[in-house]
Amino acid sequence: EPEVTQTPSHQVTQMGQEVILRCVPISNHLYFYWYRQILGQKVEFLVSFYNNEISEKSEIFDDQFSVERPDGSNFTLKIRSTKLEDSAMYFCASRRGGSSYEQYFGPGTRLTVT
Amino acid sequence: GENVEQHPSTLSVQEGDSAVIKCTYSDSASNYFPWYKQELGKGPQLIIDIRSNVGEKKDQRIAVTLNKTAKHFSLHITETQPEDSAVYFCASIIGLGTSYGKLTFGQGTILTVHP
Repeated sequence: EPEVTQTPSHQVTQMGQEVILRCVPISNHLYFYWYRQILGQKVEFLVSFYNNEISEKSEIFDDQFSVERPDGSNFTLKIRSTKLEDSAMYFCASRRGGSSYEQYFGPGTRLTVT
Repeated sequence: GENVEQHPSTLSVQEGDSAVIKCTYSDSASNYFPWYKQELGKGPQLIIDIRSNVGEKKDQRIAVTLNKTAKHFSLHITETQPEDSAVYFCASIIGLGTSYGKLTFGQGTILTVHP
């Protein structure tokens, strides 16, 4: 069964450094998402991406964040200058589109900013 | 914006008992309600969903009910097994079909099934 994959599983970085989190969505899916979950809190929406552009973003997704689909298979989230409060679990999800509403999540990347 | 509240935060049952988790949502334009199961170290796994034009949906031991008037939906697990132990999240989407599908999640329920 096709699944969303994410790398790395755990990333440790120093405050102020740039990080790139990588995702490979399910191959025939058209909508892509990033969510994050700070320890002990709700899963929060960050951004959705469709047709090679951002379709919606939350107030969390400020100028420090960017997303890209550099080729036909990868979907990346970049944080330009990490802050301590960026420490969280980051989940990628994808959806086929059309009448299919289901979003499928990857296993997540745990980002630790020190 | 949409707000989803989920209760209880923890639920402990004996194997074979039923478990019920409840969620309420705030925006009457919400029209899609998925439930996710998250096991330790894994991402959320979609287990069942319901659209606003349906009142109930069942898949083997799990079922979801929706009360649009009360803005309330519930997950029912019957004949629970130890492998049902996990964190369960409810979620909603406003205006799916006209929006891009941003999920708003509840706080999560830690379900423990004791053998």
